[in-house]
Amino acid sequence: AQSVTQLGSHVSVSEGALVLLRCNYSSSVPPYLFWYVQYPNQGLQLLLKYTSAATLVKGINGFEAEFKKSETSFHLTKPSAHMSDAAEYFCAVSEKTGNQFYFGTGTSLTVIP
Amino acid sequence: DVKVTQSSRYLVKRTGEKVFLECVQDMDHENMFWYRQDPGLGLRLIYFSYDVKMKEKGDIPEGYSVSREKKERFSLILESASTNQTSMYLCASSFGRNSNQPQHFGDGTRLSIL
Repeated sequence: AQSVTQLGSHVSVSEGALVLLRCNYSSSVPPYLFWYVQYPNQGLQLLLKYTSAATLVKGINGFEAEFKKSETSFHLTKPSAHMSDAAEYFCAVSEKTGNQFYFGTGTSLTVIP
Repeated sequence: DVKVTQSSRYLVKRTGEKVFLECVQDMDHENMFWYRQDPGLGLRLIYFSYDVKMKEKGDIPEGYSVSREKKERFSLILESASTNQTSMYLCASSFGRNSNQPQHFGDGTRLSIL
């Protein structure tokens, strides 16, 4: 089974600073990769996905992520944090066979004014 | 937009009760999933279904069962609720058999077992 590691369960950034949330996966075969955001008391909302096309993927709300096969990583970035970005972020992978997702344990992002 | 609706946002039940959590999706998705979410543990898959009347165990099926009698509806059943089943439960659905399709989530049911 896949393993997904999100380094840093809590990340704090100042408003306007770069956001970097890390995600590494374990598969030797590149899977499909997703980032989700969860606001308080809500379900998960898709931010972006990588499905074997361009390695740099742009998503909603100014977020983007870069797939790096050599590093088995799919880190999420945003150039300038906004207060509304404060939320929990989950990385997920899906193997190319089957529909099961494997989620990381999440990173809680705090934005300091 | 895909709409996944969970019947209750908050639910309080007592130990030993049989509990039903309902989930309905409006996009004719083949696949439906039930997860529980606990702090520090992320999302853990309980059960999933690829088609009507089909079900597959996920990573933590013990103490749970599911029912999918209609394509749009996927029910999670706690046969005899216990306090360690207090959690946030999330339902999701996705399209087709291709694993590059994202899962779409409901808003969750926060279940407390007293």
